[in-house]
Amino acid sequence: NAGVTQTPKFRVLKTGQSMTLLCAQDMNHEYMYWYRQDPGMGLRLIHYSVGEGTTAKGEVPDGYNVSRLKKQNFLLGLESAAPSQTSVYFCASNSVPRETQYFGPGTRLLVL
Amino acid sequence: SQQGEEDPQALSIQEGENATMNCSYKTSINNLQWYRQNSGRGLVHLILIRSNEREKHSGRLRVTLDTSKKSSSLLITASRAADTASYFCATDAPGGNYQLIWGAGTKLIIKP
Repeated sequence: NAGVTQTPKFRVLKTGQSMTLLCAQDMNHEYMYWYRQDPGMGLRLIHYSVGEGTTAKGEVPDGYNVSRLKKQNFLLGLESAAPSQTSVYFCASNSVPRETQYFGPGTRLLVL
Repeated sequence: SQQGEEDPQALSIQEGENATMNCSYKTSINNLQWYRQNSGRGLVHLILIRSNEREKHSGRLRVTLDTSKKSSSLLITASRAADTASYFCATDAPGGNYQLIWGAGTKLIIKP
């Protein structure tokens, strides 16, 4: 039982490049979330999903896209990376909305 | 936007002492949660306290909730070096959507 996993762990991009971050959970959770964490700030929600095939915008969705084609996977895409997207990205999931969330280990992204 | 705000931003105490950190929020809530984040890791859920509860315990952790003051406190008794981490509070978002709103965290350092 791996819980929530994220790949890759670390990535360096040049401005304008694209990439996809993968989140996978093996707990059969309906709800999945993508956050970014910047120094001195709490987590900010980028996008979330309330079930397979659904996505919704969070607090800071601009510059990101997401897809949830399978219940266990939630992908976060950056189409044209910008230095402002340098951050640590966390995926989380849960079975009851607004209650306990289970987090992955994070992806550290540096955009040059 | 931040709903929860932790206080203090940083706290350094000797091993064996008690650590208290506070969280204030702005709007009515259904529940409030506390999470721990060790350096470079994902967040781990500690305790969820509902709006109709005033106090909750889990091992060396004690959480209180005062809905009249819109505040919560997390007490860690008999601190250990392994308690060194950042601690975040999160509240369910007003309006009944699926999001949690996160504070900026308290960085706790336990000195041996």
